[in-house]
Amino acid sequence: GQQVMQIPQYQHVQEGEDFTTYCNSSTTLSNIQWYKQRPGGHPVFLIQLVKSGEVKKQKRLTFQFGEAKKNSSLHITATQTTDVGTYFCAGNAGKSTFGDGTTLTVKP
Amino acid sequence: NAGVTQTPKFQVLKTGQSMTLQCAQDMNHEYMSWYRQDPGMGLRLIHYSVGAGITDQGEVPNGYNVSRSTTEDFPLRLLSAAPSQTSVYFCASSYVDRGSSNSPLHFGNGTRLTVT
Repeated sequence: GQQVMQIPQYQHVQEGEDFTTYCNSSTTLSNIQWYKQRPGGHPVFLIQLVKSGEVKKQKRLTFQFGEAKKNSSLHITATQTTDVGTYFCAGNAGKSTFGDGTTLTVKP
Repeated sequence: NAGVTQTPKFQVLKTGQSMTLQCAQDMNHEYMSWYRQDPGMGLRLIHYSVGAGITDQGEVPNGYNVSRSTTEDFPLRLLSAAPSQTSVYFCASSYVDRGSSNSPLHFGNGTRLTVT
């Protein structure tokens, strides 16, 4: 069945450093969504990518969807302590499947 | 708007007990779903529903039952609790998918369940 793999599982950075998480699917996706979950909280929707090669930005966050629509990335420029949490991708090829998430910690 | 409301927030059960986790949404979403989240394993889909009277199994349905008698409510029943069901449970809802786009999932605050 459809599988969505996310790497790395954990990332620890110094405040001000950049951060990237990658999402890879075994099948072609119709779209991909990204969510953020703060510690002790629930996942919150960030963005959806639909088109091949699409790039979207939200302030310091840049989201990309691969040309083959099988992979995606989330890049955070100059991390802040407010960026801590777990970032999930959810790929859809008929039914949404979540990756295992990348947990980001930021040292002030 | 309340959004997605889950009750209870915390629950401790003994092995073999049954209980129902409640989920209600006030956004008139057709799609509702239940996920469980275990450490380092992300979100796994238990059951979902695309409308009142319609339910279907997700990735990990064993040991759980659901029903959807109204658009607003989607309770999750544990028939005979087992320690392996210790987890955080999230209910989520959205509009039904249209074409190549998915409507964003709105999550409840979660229920932390411990089975001893």
